[in-house]
Amino acid sequence: LAKTTQPISMDSYEGQEVNITCSHNNIATNDYITWYQQFPSQGPRFIIQGYKTKVTNEVASLFIPADRKSSTLSLPRVSLSDTAVYYCLVGRGTDTGRRALTFGSGTRLQVQP
Amino acid sequence: EAGVTQFPSHSVIEKGQTVTLRCDPISGHDNLYWYRRVMGKEIKFLLHFVKESKQDESGMPNNRFLAERTGGTYSTLKVQPAELEDSGVYFCASSPPEGNEQFFGPGTRLTVL
Repeated sequence: LAKTTQPISMDSYEGQEVNITCSHNNIATNDYITWYQQFPSQGPRFIIQGYKTKVTNEVASLFIPADRKSSTLSLPRVSLSDTAVYYCLVGRGTDTGRRALTFGSGTRLQVQP
Repeated sequence: EAGVTQFPSHSVIEKGQTVTLRCDPISGHDNLYWYRRVMGKEIKFLLHFVKESKQDESGMPNNRFLAERTGGTYSTLKVQPAELEDSGVYFCASSPPEGNEQFFGPGTRLTVL
């Protein structure tokens, strides 16, 4: 399994764009990158998944450079409700809904008013 | 549509007692997972059911933990006898037969005194 490295914490203010970078130097050819979000007292929640270049949905964008050794989760115009822990996971294939997930320490994002 | 539910939300027991946690997955989800986070550590995978069968139980810490999913619907995780180091938050997740997302419940916070 590719090990991931993320910043332990980040601070931001409402309305700003937040970019959280994850390093995964040993990513394999068949690995996909998935991000989960976890609010206090809740379970993790899937945000986005990608393989290369850019993926965008209604919540976030995921940027993956050509070498795929890192990825960046971008949250546009954060609000207080985006305060959460964000996990970067790397796993084989797109069917990561059917395999054990490996969580790292995550990045604790604190959004200030 | 109802999400993954877990019961109880909190449990406080004495060392040596038995506790049973319950998870009700989203209807139609064949895959059911148990994870846990002990104090200060990362979320760790425990086991994976596909319907009523154990697909992967490589994360179960020892034989004091017993998971069942009779009938392929809800699942229980029994800890007998509980030890101090079992304290933590136990998450259940489920996913449909295909897809890249796991849906997590809110967790059960277990405290062993």
